[in-house]
Amino acid sequence: ILNVEQSPQSLHVQEGDSTNFTCSFPSSNFYALHWYRWETAKSPEALFVMTLNGDEKKKGRISATLNTKEGYSYLYIKGSQPEDSATYLCASGGGADGLTFGKGTHLIIQP
Amino acid sequence: SAVISQKPSRDICQRGTSLTIQCQVDSQVTMMFWYRQQPGQSLTLIATANQGSEATYESGFVIDKFPISRPNLTFSTLTVSNMSPEDSSIYLCSVGRGTTNTEAFFGQGTRLTVV
Repeated sequence: ILNVEQSPQSLHVQEGDSTNFTCSFPSSNFYALHWYRWETAKSPEALFVMTLNGDEKKKGRISATLNTKEGYSYLYIKGSQPEDSATYLCASGGGADGLTFGKGTHLIIQP
Repeated sequence: SAVISQKPSRDICQRGTSLTIQCQVDSQVTMMFWYRQQPGQSLTLIATANQGSEATYESGFVIDKFPISRPNLTFSTLTVSNMSPEDSSIYLCSVGRGTTNTEAFFGQGTRLTVV
């Protein structure tokens, strides 16, 4: 994998259902994996920064896992709410080199 | 965290003109980054701006098209020069935080439409 790839590109989920999506990234020269939540006309909001293989992080109903050896991360949302509707961005890198982003997963929660 | 004020939030510009985007941070930071997102594409790093030195541009981006200023540790500007419709994008500034700049924070973005 040469680039950061996210799937699916978009997702419609019924309110109350749980969902998850995937980020694949180059496993060589790994520095850090970032998840952001981005709503229109707002700043991307940092959800998680993960650096260790096997790491799992949780913030409320949202959690993420990291596998640096195979180059993937999952983001999980439990009990989706309308306010979860946003674009979720995954990015690899950091430090002095900036971030390499995927195209994002556009999540729409239907009441 | 860092509070970043970016302006303008949006603009519609005529082709051939230039637009300067400003980014103000609430505290001193060493590194600032400029990104853009073209429609349907990923956020892509344009350049890294450090105070007191020339900006470092990524492949495909040149100083003549995207001149950057970094006069102090809390402020930077990005100019989009001689604009064409292909420059229509969201432009974001970002700063790094943490001992190794692991965390990144963003401005609200500038939505640029070139007509």
